[in-house]
Amino acid sequence: SAVISQKPSRDICQRGTSLTIQCQVDSQVTMMFWYRQQPGQSLTLIATANQGSEATYESGFVIDKFPISRPNLTFSTLTVSNMSPEDSSIYLCSADQNTEAFFGQGTRLTVV
Amino acid sequence: ILNVEQSPQSLHVQEGDSTNFTCSFPSSNFYALHWYRWETAKSPEALFVMTLNGDEKKKGRISATLNTKEGYSYLYIKGSQPEDSATYLCAFLVRGSTLGRLYFGRGTQLTVWP
Repeated sequence: SAVISQKPSRDICQRGTSLTIQCQVDSQVTMMFWYRQQPGQSLTLIATANQGSEATYESGFVIDKFPISRPNLTFSTLTVSNMSPEDSSIYLCSADQNTEAFFGQGTRLTVV
Repeated sequence: ILNVEQSPQSLHVQEGDSTNFTCSFPSSNFYALHWYRWETAKSPEALFVMTLNGDEKKKGRISATLNTKEGYSYLYIKGSQPEDSATYLCAFLVRGSTLGRLYFGRGTQLTVWP
């Protein structure tokens, strides 16, 4: 099974700043996924990241706000740009391997 | 947007009690139903991947059933222990979509008191 290391695990950020979250997978995976869980809400997919192409964003999420990089088959980053308190959430990366989905430990972001 | 509902939202039980939660999902275009256990600051841990109507799966004291025709799944915990305290998530996978593209419920937060 794949192991995904995600960091930072938590951060408190000032509004207007940006935070980059990193996920490192211990094996090569074709697709990686970025989810967000706002307080009291379900995990919601932000975008799907393929190596060598632009990420595919879900309705309601845009590249300018959540730029994603996928430089190789084991690594991806998500940036939360120009943060506001509404961006306070848990952000979670995942990858699928052999019919199972694996997740990072999550990043708990608080914007003040 | 696909609606996946979980109930109850939270549950408090005594050690030794048995408990169960519900996940309801759209019955059309079903491919799979995943159950995860998520503890704070840890990765969600996969419990079950269920694909067939009538599926029943078991892992120790935890078991799950699946009814794809009516669109629900039950997760059961027998003899709850304090270490079972966590949020239990279900996630629905649509037929024809990418494996990792999951639609999650809000979860059931279980607290087991010693």
